[in-house]
Amino acid sequence: EVQLLESGGGLAKPGGSLRLSCRDSGFTLRNFAITWVRQAPGKGLEWVSDISDTGGNTFYADSVQGRFIVSRDNSRNTVSLQLDSLRPDDTAVYYCATGRGSHFDVWGPGTMVTVSS
Amino acid sequence: SNVLTQPPSVSVAPGQTARIPCGGDLISTRDVNWYQQRPGQAPILVLYDDDDRPSGVPERFSGSKSGNTATLMITRVEVGDEADYYCQLWTGSSDYGHVFGTGTTVTVL
Repeated sequence: EVQLLESGGGLAKPGGSLRLSCRDSGFTLRNFAITWVRQAPGKGLEWVSDISDTGGNTFYADSVQGRFIVSRDNSRNTVSLQLDSLRPDDTAVYYCATGRGSHFDVWGPGTMVTVSS
Repeated sequence: SNVLTQPPSVSVAPGQTARIPCGGDLISTRDVNWYQQRPGQAPILVLYDDDDRPSGVPERFSGSKSGNTATLMITRVEVGDEADYYCQLWTGSSDYGHVFGTGTTVTVL
């Protein structure tokens, strides 16, 4: 069974930074593009970022462009999302997800990011 | 526009049929996917490419599309179907990425 697991969430002050990680358990992450999706408390799902299987292509939502950086280390089966210049409206559960095509059939359980002074 | 609009809530009696619409300009030209999310849990894919079911998803879940509206239909609704449902598509542009619908809470009366 394929499984993803996020880590690195926590409390950060406005303007601060966090680094999230997404690791696989049971399959080889290197063969898959990875998407980050977030969900603010009581709100809907929001696409954040994509990274291709090789890491050669990265994409970002306008709301995080220039502040978040996605990267991957396929030798360690890890995808990272660096969150800089954090704002209170970045407070959310952050999920990593993957799938074949335009849909996501594997999701991690999520990691909570809280931005507050 | 890259917005996908869903009604905030749908109520249905057990055994009846729930229909959840998702409207947007890109619906007619892009594949639509649907997710179920229970409180405190990650989303689960229930339909992909408009009307295909992943392994393990009951046949009671089906999808359709007409013009700029996609619809998730749940027949013979069960209490366990109570959840939030989101439509989603890939815009086809790296500038806009993926878009999720606004979400619909299904309540089983």
